[in-house]
Amino acid sequence: DAGVIQSPRHEVTEMGQEVTLRCKPISGHDYLFWYRQTMMRGLELLIYFNNNVPIDDSGMPEDRFSAKMPNASFSTLKIQPSEPRDSAVYFCASSYLASNEQFFGPGTRLTVL
Amino acid sequence: AQSVAQPEDQVNVAEGNPLTVKCTYSVSGNPYLFWYVQYPNRGLQFLLKYITGDNLVKGSYGFEAEFNKSQTSFHLKKPSALVSDSALYFCAVRALTGGFKTIFGAGTRLFVKA
Repeated sequence: DAGVIQSPRHEVTEMGQEVTLRCKPISGHDYLFWYRQTMMRGLELLIYFNNNVPIDDSGMPEDRFSAKMPNASFSTLKIQPSEPRDSAVYFCASSYLASNEQFFGPGTRLTVL
Repeated sequence: AQSVAQPEDQVNVAEGNPLTVKCTYSVSGNPYLFWYVQYPNRGLQFLLKYITGDNLVKGSYGFEAEFNKSQTSFHLKKPSALVSDSALYFCAVRALTGGFKTIFGAGTRLFVKA
C-alpha cells in the first residue's frame, strides 16, 4: 500500500481565497483524522470520521473550516475564506479500528499571505 | 477530559547512553497509549502502543515503554541511543469511552549527540 496520500504537499495562497486539502486514506481503514500542527499550538485534532461519518468536529476552529468524506477512499478539508492565521501543516491520518495506531500522511504545508 | 503531558521540551543524551522521554496522562477509565516519532518535514510515525496486558511494551527501532497505572505514566525508553534517534516524539492517549478522540502531547525533542 502507498500509505496515506495527501495533496497538495505545499499550498501558498492569499488571504480570502478558498483552500481545499485532499486525503486518500489507506485502503480498508475505517477511521480518518484531520490534524493541524503549528509551533504555537502543537498538534490539534480538527475532525475525525468513522466509516465516512463525521464523529467529532469539536476541534474545527470556526465555520470557515469544513470537512467531507464522500466515500471510504477520499476526504477533503476546506477553508473558505482563508486567513494568515490558518498557516500550518495539515495532516491526514487513518486507522483500522479505534484501538489501533494511526498512519499519517506527509502533510500539506499551507501558507496564507 | 483526557489530557497528556510531556514535561520536557527537549531531552539531550549522548550516543550510546540510555534515554527516557517522559509522558503522563489523564483519562477516565482505561486508556490506549501510543508513542509516535516525527522526523523533519514528515508525518508522524507509530512507534509502539499499550492496550492491555504486559506493562512493558516493545516497539520499533529498539524503543520500549512502561505503562504505570498508579503513576499514570507511559515513559518511552531505549537502552542505547543513536544519533539517528534525534527527532520529535509525541505521546498520545485515546479513551475507550466517550468517543475515540486521540489526544497528543506537545512533543519532546530528542537530541542525541555523537
